Amino acid sequence: GAVVSQHPSRVICKSGTSVKIECRSLDFQATTMFWYRQFPKQSLMLMATSNEGSKATYEQGVEKDKFLINHASLTLSTLTVTSAHPEDSSFYICSARADVGTGANVLTFGAGSRLTVL
Amino acid sequence: AQRVTQPEKLLSVFKGAPVELKCNYSYSGSPELFWYVQYSRQRLQLLLRHISRESIKGFTADLNKGETSFHLKKPFAQEEDSAMYYCALGNSGNTPLVFGKGTRLSVIA
Repeated sequence: GAVVSQHPSRVICKSGTSVKIECRSLDFQATTMFWYRQFPKQSLMLMATSNEGSKATYEQGVEKDKFLINHASLTLSTLTVTSAHPEDSSFYICSARADVGTGANVLTFGAGSRLTVL
Repeated sequence: AQRVTQPEKLLSVFKGAPVELKCNYSYSGSPELFWYVQYSRQRLQLLLRHISRESIKGFTADLNKGETSFHLKKPFAQEEDSAMYYCALGNSGNTPLVFGKGTRLSVIA
């Protein structure tokens, strides 16, 4: 089945530094990937839609200069948290559709990346 | 606007008891409804979707457009069903899903 890989699974960084999270579709091409953020014991909040070869579409309230998204190839999207602060500490999850064109809207999720900003 | 409501944060049932996880949605178009499950220390994964009309791990869910609901049911809960369950709403095309806040199911032996 379709697999989405995220790396790193855990990262700890100092306040003010930048952190990059990679999301790869391992056995399929994904023109679109979605980035979610999950707070403890809360639901997934859609941050942005990553589009291959074009700018990402950010949800209201998500700072695009803070959360840089790059989707340079059909199998890789990256999320860079710039100038990280402790309030950015969270669980970031990416997802992609593996069956574009079939009409289905099933998402395959990565395992998530836990960011801790000290 | 699209919205998914899961009224229960936590649902505890005894093993062998019936389970119903509630999900209501708000959407003016033709919806696609999904249930995703997240077991402890595992990634989110698709459990079932309404267009498939299938039963997965004993779970079923029927889309009721009149009541705008997509409740998840299982006649006899098992301990391994303990997990976080998310109801999600989408539409046709390459659009993101909208998730409910999730319900944590705890099956007690």
